Amino acid sequence: AQSVTQLGSHVSVSEGALVLLRCNYSSSVPPYLFWYVQYPNQGLQLLLKYTSAATLVKGINGFEAEFKKSETSFHLTKPSAHMSDAAEYFCAVSDLQGAQKLVFGQGTRLTINP
Amino acid sequence: DAGVIQSPRHEVTEMGQEVTLRCKPISGHDYLFWYRQTMMRGLELLIYFNNNVPIDDSGMPEDRFSAKMPNASFSTLKIQPSEPRDSAVYFCATRQRATTGELFFGEGSRLTVL
Repeated sequence: AQSVTQLGSHVSVSEGALVLLRCNYSSSVPPYLFWYVQYPNQGLQLLLKYTSAATLVKGINGFEAEFKKSETSFHLTKPSAHMSDAAEYFCAVSDLQGAQKLVFGQGTRLTINP
Repeated sequence: DAGVIQSPRHEVTEMGQEVTLRCKPISGHDYLFWYRQTMMRGLELLIYFNNNVPIDDSGMPEDRFSAKMPNASFSTLKIQPSEPRDSAVYFCATRQRATTGELFFGEGSRLTVL
């Protein structure tokens, strides 16, 4: 069975500082990996996805993530945090077959301090 | 496109009452997923449909929960009778067959059972 673990349910950084949100996955087959963002009272939106092409994936709003097979990780980074980045972030994994059901991590709430 | 449309956005009901949540998927999307989000359990997949046919309902917690998709434009999730532990945000998400796992989420239905 596939699963993801997000390290840290809550991360707080200063505006302009580096954002690093950690995600480790478990999968018996080559996975697809995703980061989604959820703003208050909204649904989830796709930030970026890895689908076995380039290991460094760039997404919207200046975010990027690097797939590291040896570490089974897919950490999300942004060089300089903005106040508008405050939200909850979810890492997700799916297999390559059929419906490609997404299994989500528990989420990390990102707070940006002025 | 209007995106995935869910109704109602908020529902407050009393224990024992029937609750019906509705979802209109994006036109042309073949897969429809119902997720439940709670603080304790995060995002859980309840059931998904492919071309209006239920494929996997293993995530439906109890027989009190049922879901239907009578046509490509409409799905319902029903809870009968409702219990306080059913309080959560319920999301509908859809995607096209050809895409690599990207889900489009509705804004969710927040259910409170008193």
